[in-house]
Amino acid sequence: DGGITQSPKYLFRKEGQNVTLSCEQNLNHDAMYWYRQDPGQGLRLIYYSQIVNDFQKGDIAEGYSVSREKKESFPLTVTSAQKNPTAFYLCASSIGQNTDTQYFGPGTRLTVL
Amino acid sequence: QQQVKQSPQSLIVQKGGISIINCAYENTAFDYFPWYQQFPGKGPALLIAIRPDVSEKKEGRFTISFNKSAKQFSLHIMDSQPGDSATYFCAASKSGGSNYKLTFGKGTLLTVNP
Repeated sequence: DGGITQSPKYLFRKEGQNVTLSCEQNLNHDAMYWYRQDPGQGLRLIYYSQIVNDFQKGDIAEGYSVSREKKESFPLTVTSAQKNPTAFYLCASSIGQNTDTQYFGPGTRLTVL
Repeated sequence: QQQVKQSPQSLIVQKGGISIINCAYENTAFDYFPWYQQFPGKGPALLIAIRPDVSEKKEGRFTISFNKSAKQFSLHIMDSQPGDSATYFCAASKSGGSNYKLTFGKGTLLTVNP
């Protein structure tokens, strides 16, 4: 089956700890994205990557970091600098340049205690 | 600055009725307007999308109407069913340069009563 996988589905961490969320795709897509979803706020872009070894900040990048060492993987680290990390995190991918359709993974719900 | 404004926040419709969700955008460079459907605890899924060279696009019970001069677009769900109950997001993007960046509305929670 082709698609985007995110793991784990639920994640709990203590305040002050860094945590890494996994995102893998086997769609052979060049571009990948991370969004944060909060109730009533829609989806806000954290980081995106157009090609391997390149990524750009989105609208709310502070307190987050990413890497893109492989085409199929785009992990997101939520650092202790993120002031309000509890949220639903969504990873997405698209074929690449000049293709707008983004396909989303099932999401990871992060709760910081 | 909210570039895509979506209304209403929530909508309750009877089975068989028409659901209408509206979005307005500010950036005239936007040229791609998708609608996503999201069920609780799941990721959004592309429902239907339109480009400004047409004023309407229909796929089954779902229709996008687009008004370029008013900078507005809307989603119409005909013969609404309880299975359509979900959160719907409109979005917009522009091609070229950072064309990857979709700007989303804040979502509409649709409830279709049986």
